[in-house]
Amino acid sequence: KAGVTQTPRYLIKTRGQQVTLSCSPISGHRSVSWYQQTPGQGLQFLFEYFSETQRNKGNFPGRFSGRQFSNSRSEMNVSTLELGDSALYLCASSPGTGQGEKLFFGSGTQLSVL
Amino acid sequence: GQQVMQIPQYQHVQEGEDFTTYCNSSTTLSNIQWYKQRPGGHPVFLIQLVKSGEVKKQKRLTFQFGEAKKNSSLHITATQTTDVGTYFCAGPGGATNKLIFGTGTLLAVQP
Repeated sequence: KAGVTQTPRYLIKTRGQQVTLSCSPISGHRSVSWYQQTPGQGLQFLFEYFSETQRNKGNFPGRFSGRQFSNSRSEMNVSTLELGDSALYLCASSPGTGQGEKLFFGSGTQLSVL
Repeated sequence: GQQVMQIPQYQHVQEGEDFTTYCNSSTTLSNIQWYKQRPGGHPVFLIQLVKSGEVKKQKRLTFQFGEAKKNSSLHITATQTTDVGTYFCAGPGGATNKLIFGTGTLLAVQP
């Protein structure tokens, strides 16, 4: 089975721009979660999508949004980028059918905002 | 909101020494998971503990879940250079049980 695939692997943007990150979950997994990882803040939960609906949301501003398609692929969008948005963005998938499921992470997208 | 703290933040050991990281949650957890992230890599699931007082072993790694289900520990016996990385605990939290990760412990192993 192919793992979780995230694209692109690296991104460099400037302040004020917007960015879209993509995540393809493991085949059969219907839940996709997004995390932001920074050296100072660790792994922060952004949101979770299940069956094309946002099921959970973290404490991030509205500039951070996401969506999920019928094939479970998910995209995350950040608008009006700020320097502090520089981070590794990790996507994780799970079957989505139970509580406390283990997560399978992708390799992440390293975003640098200049 | 719920917080999951880990200590220490960083530990440097000589190869062959033991290592322990501790995880503490501000609330009771239904289960706890452990992940390992190698430098430059992504978190990889190690194990899940569900029962109060549960102890599980994976070769040189021993995982414990506290009796009150608010704390957990990971102990590595006789560390090897392949153990290098950041170890995270994680537990479901909030009204919707999203997985909340601990602050992580970075382990460095000197050969």
